[in-house]
Amino acid sequence: DVQLLETGGGLVQPGESRRLSCAASGFTFSSYVMSWVRQAPGKGLEWVSSISGSGGSTYYADSVKGRFTISRDNSQNTLYLQMNSLRAEDTALYYCAKDGPLRFSFQNWGQGTLVIVSS
Amino acid sequence: IQMTQSPSSLSASVGDRVTITCRATETISSYLNWFQQKPGKAPRLLISAASILQRGVPSRFSGSGSGTDFTLTISSLQPEDSATYYCQQGYSPPCTFGQGTKLEI
Repeated sequence: DVQLLETGGGLVQPGESRRLSCAASGFTFSSYVMSWVRQAPGKGLEWVSSISGSGGSTYYADSVKGRFTISRDNSQNTLYLQMNSLRAEDTALYYCAKDGPLRFSFQNWGQGTLVIVSS
Repeated sequence: IQMTQSPSSLSASVGDRVTITCRATETISSYLNWFQQKPGKAPRLLISAASILQRGVPSRFSGSGSGTDFTLTISSLQPEDSATYYCQQGYSPPCTFGQGTKLEI
């Protein structure tokens, strides 16, 4: 079974940094595009970033471009999201998602890790 | 590419047929996915490529459309279908979601 386990969330002050991790198991990690999707409290889903299987291609939402960096370690089956210059509006539950049969179709999701940006 | 769902919310009864629409601001071919999310849970992929039902999803769910206009239909509503439904385009990044449709039974 596919399993995705996000860690790294917590309370962060505005302007600070945080790195999220997503440990993957149950599939050939390097074969799939992986993504981060977030959901602010009581709000809808917002795609944040995606990375190709090799890590050679990355994509970002305009709202995080230049501040967030997605990466992956295929030897460790782990996806990362480095978040810098955090803002209050980055407060959200951050989900890790594995691609499905088509590109950018989020077939499997973790349970999420909550990031709260507040002073 | 912006995705607009309608309605934003609806209330229906068990056994009803329900349709949710999703419109893209430009053509996305069939790169349209539908998700179901229940409170406190991660989203669940129901339909990919506009009409391909995912394994384990009940056959009362169906999707159609291509280009810019898409629909999600639940043919006979069940109590467990109470959830928020999102469309999402996978045609090109940024991979935008619709704002969601909250379905109450």
